[in-house]
Amino acid sequence: GQQVMQIPQYQHVQEGEDFTTYCNSSTTLSNIQWYKQRPGGHPVFLIQLVKSGEVKKQKRLTFQFGEAKKNSSLHITATQTTDVGTYFCAGLGNAGNNRKLIWGLGTSLGVNP
Amino acid sequence: SQTIHQWPATLVQPVGSPLSLECTVEGTSNPNLYWYRQAAGRGLQLLFYSVGIGQISSEVPQNLSASRPQDRQFILSSKKLLLSDSGFYLCAWSVPGPYNQPQHFGDGTRLSIL
Repeated sequence: GQQVMQIPQYQHVQEGEDFTTYCNSSTTLSNIQWYKQRPGGHPVFLIQLVKSGEVKKQKRLTFQFGEAKKNSSLHITATQTTDVGTYFCAGLGNAGNNRKLIWGLGTSLGVNP
Repeated sequence: SQTIHQWPATLVQPVGSPLSLECTVEGTSNPNLYWYRQAAGRGLQLLFYSVGIGQISSEVPQNLSASRPQDRQFILSSKKLLLSDSGFYLCAWSVPGPYNQPQHFGDGTRLSIL
């Protein structure tokens, strides 16, 4: 079946360093969504990418969707302690009528002040 | 604006006891509704989703069931809880239509089985 892999599983950075998490799908995706879950909280929607090669920015966060629509990345510039949490990607497959989001297992980000 | 309410926030239940978790959405009509389970430090596992009243799709065979008695009410139930049912249960909604709309989550229920 369709799978979405996320790497790395964990990363700790020093405050001010950059951070990137990658999302790779075994099949072409219709779109990809990114969510952030703070420790003890619930996932919160960040952004959705739809077009091949699309790049979107939210302040220090840059989201990219690959040309083949099989991979995506989230890059955080100059991390802050408020960036701590788990970042999930979730992709919508192309196949069949039963189209549901396929979730990655997330990348947990720790930021040392 | 739309809001989603989920309760209780935490629950401790003995093995073999029944379960009922409730989720309600306000400010939207005919939403898609979802139940997820998240084990500690892990990803989200979709348990059930619903596109309308009485329409439930099950993703994972288990001793849990879901019902949607009203348009904006989604209930997760079990007749007999197992130890493996422990976890963080999240309800979510999205606007009706294709399954490519952002999902909005409730605060979740932390369920511990003793």
